[in-house]
Amino acid sequence: DGGITQSPKYLFRKEGQNVTLSCEQNLNHDAMYWYRQDPGQGLRLIYYSQIVNDFQKGDIAEGYSVSREKKESFPLTVTSAQKNPTAFYLCASSNRVIEQFFGPGTRLTVL
Amino acid sequence: QKEVEQDPGPLSVPEGAIVSLNCTYSNSAFQYFMWYRQYSRKGPELLMYTYSSGNKEDGRFTAQVDKSSKYISLFIRDSQPSDSATYLCAMRDTGANSKLTFGKGITLSVRP
Repeated sequence: DGGITQSPKYLFRKEGQNVTLSCEQNLNHDAMYWYRQDPGQGLRLIYYSQIVNDFQKGDIAEGYSVSREKKESFPLTVTSAQKNPTAFYLCASSNRVIEQFFGPGTRLTVL
Repeated sequence: QKEVEQDPGPLSVPEGAIVSLNCTYSNSAFQYFMWYRQYSRKGPELLMYTYSSGNKEDGRFTAQVDKSSKYISLFIRDSQPSDSATYLCAMRDTGANSKLTFGKGITLSVRP
């Protein structure tokens, strides 16, 4: 089955901790994206990558970091510098034409 | 003014109703217009897309784009409880590396 997987589904973080969210795709897509979704806020772009070993900041990159060492993988680290990390995080990939395919999401909660 | 504005909702309709969901935008460079459907606690999935102006129909769903008014709509005919979800509009220009700009989404509930 082709698609995007995100893990874990639920993640709990203590104050001051860094956590890493996993995103893997087997669609052979070049581009990958990370979004944050808060109630009433829609999708806000955190980081995106058009090609391996290259990525750009989105609209709300502060407190986050990413890497793109493999085409299939685009992990997101939520650092302790992110002031309000509790949210639903969505990863997506694209073949650069029209559609972005989304993963099932990771719900992060700060305790 | 935000690039994409979407009616905030929520919206509740009886089964069988015709639903109209709308977005306005300010960037005249937008050429691709999409509607995503997101069920609770799931990732969004592409429902329909149109290029430039015009209408596109797919079963009970019709997407309409009016570029002169910078206004797009999604119509759902004979709405079903299974249509209950959040609907997000999204749009982009024709640049090869262009990003999607999303509306905030509207939550639709179809009552049996």
